[in-house]
Amino acid sequence: GQNIDQPTEMTATEGAIVQINCTYQTSGFNGLFWYQQHAGEAPTFLSYNVLDGLEEKGRFSSFLSRSKGYSYLLLKELQMKDSASYLCVTLDSNYQLIWGAGTKLIIKP
Amino acid sequence: NAGVTQTPKFRILKIGQSMTLQCTQDMNHNYMYWYRQDPGMGLKLIYYSVGAGITDKGEVPNGYNVSRSTTEDFPLRLELAAPSQTSVYFCASTRTEANEKLFFGSGTQLSVL
Repeated sequence: GQNIDQPTEMTATEGAIVQINCTYQTSGFNGLFWYQQHAGEAPTFLSYNVLDGLEEKGRFSSFLSRSKGYSYLLLKELQMKDSASYLCVTLDSNYQLIWGAGTKLIIKP
Repeated sequence: NAGVTQTPKFRILKIGQSMTLQCTQDMNHNYMYWYRQDPGMGLKLIYYSVGAGITDKGEVPNGYNVSRSTTEDFPLRLELAAPSQTSVYFCASTRTEANEKLFFGSGTQLSVL
């Protein structure tokens, strides 16, 4: 079956660094997305990885290892506005999106 | 830029009532989607469309219907509302392939009592 695992909740301190992990098992693989979702709002796109390695975009970076079925989202210099849920999403062989339940990130001052 | 416009934002229905959630996008996107999001769960695909006149079922289509008469509009119809349909609904669109990022509407909080 198809499955995405990510921690339910994480807590971090303002100004620090946090890594949100995601492991997946899917029928084929055509890439992995990370979306950010603030409470009561719609998801917004953060990143897309299809090849192994690290993609950096400002304070946010996303890593992919296809052989390990593993990705992480790295957030640096945390700000209070980064408090949100982070959704790991894979694209399977039929180009269907499989959504993880999300990791709620709580930032403390 | 309006992007994806979804209405209403909130709605309370009685069991057995019907309603239509409206979704319009002004980006000339071919692909449109309806998702529901339940607490603690990932988004579940209800229906999707790859272009005007073409619709297909997603993972959880029962109790819903859609139409796609124009590129811009993709309404979602609930015919006989049930408590199990209490959820947050999101409409989304992409330009072409599924490996492009989704643009979401602001969501509809629906309660069926």
